[in-house]
Amino acid sequence: DAGVTQSPTHLIKTRGQHVTLRCSPISGHKSVSWYQQVLGQGPQFIFQYYEKEERGRGNFPDRFSARQFPNYSSELNVNALLLGDSALYLCASSLLYEQYFGPGTRLTVT
Amino acid sequence: AQKVTQAQTEISVVEKEDVTLDCVYETRDTTYYLFWYKQPPSGELVFLIRRNSFDEQNEISGRYSWNFQKSTSSFNFTITASQVVDSAVYFCALTAGQGAQKLVFGQGTRLTINP
Repeated sequence: DAGVTQSPTHLIKTRGQHVTLRCSPISGHKSVSWYQQVLGQGPQFIFQYYEKEERGRGNFPDRFSARQFPNYSSELNVNALLLGDSALYLCASSLLYEQYFGPGTRLTVT
Repeated sequence: AQKVTQAQTEISVVEKEDVTLDCVYETRDTTYYLFWYKQPPSGELVFLIRRNSFDEQNEISGRYSWNFQKSTSSFNFTITASQVVDSAVYFCALTAGQGAQKLVFGQGTRLTINP
């Protein structure tokens, strides 16, 4: 079975731009979560979606938004990019309590 | 609020040595789940184990073992006879409450196994 997939793998953006990151969960998993991992730190929770509804939101500004589609894939959108948004963005899907992570999207903001 | 502390930032050992990674957690919930993840240089977080708060039984999987002690709020991870392929950053994580899904991660421990 295919694992969690994320696209793109790498992305370079300029300050002030907008970015959309995509995630496809493991087949049968209805929950998707997004995490931001800054270099040298543990991942920080951004959002969780279940059955297309937001179930949790971390301490991130409104520039960050997400949605989940009927096929359970998800998008993370970040507006007005700042240098501090440079990080590895991880998507995880889950059936119950174990969360399985994708390879991540490395975003660099210049 | 939940918190996970991994006091060891970096550990370096020689191959075949045993190594223990420490994890201390904080939560007021009586129902919670603890996890260990491995992050190799590729960046993908690999799920290793889940333990729930009602099960203090220690677990062994090959060279890996986990010691869960509620009395000290610890969930330590031991690798026996370490190998170079074990080199990675290891994260301890916690999720708590009914329907819990948000993972709270520790800062991670970078483990280097030298040949």
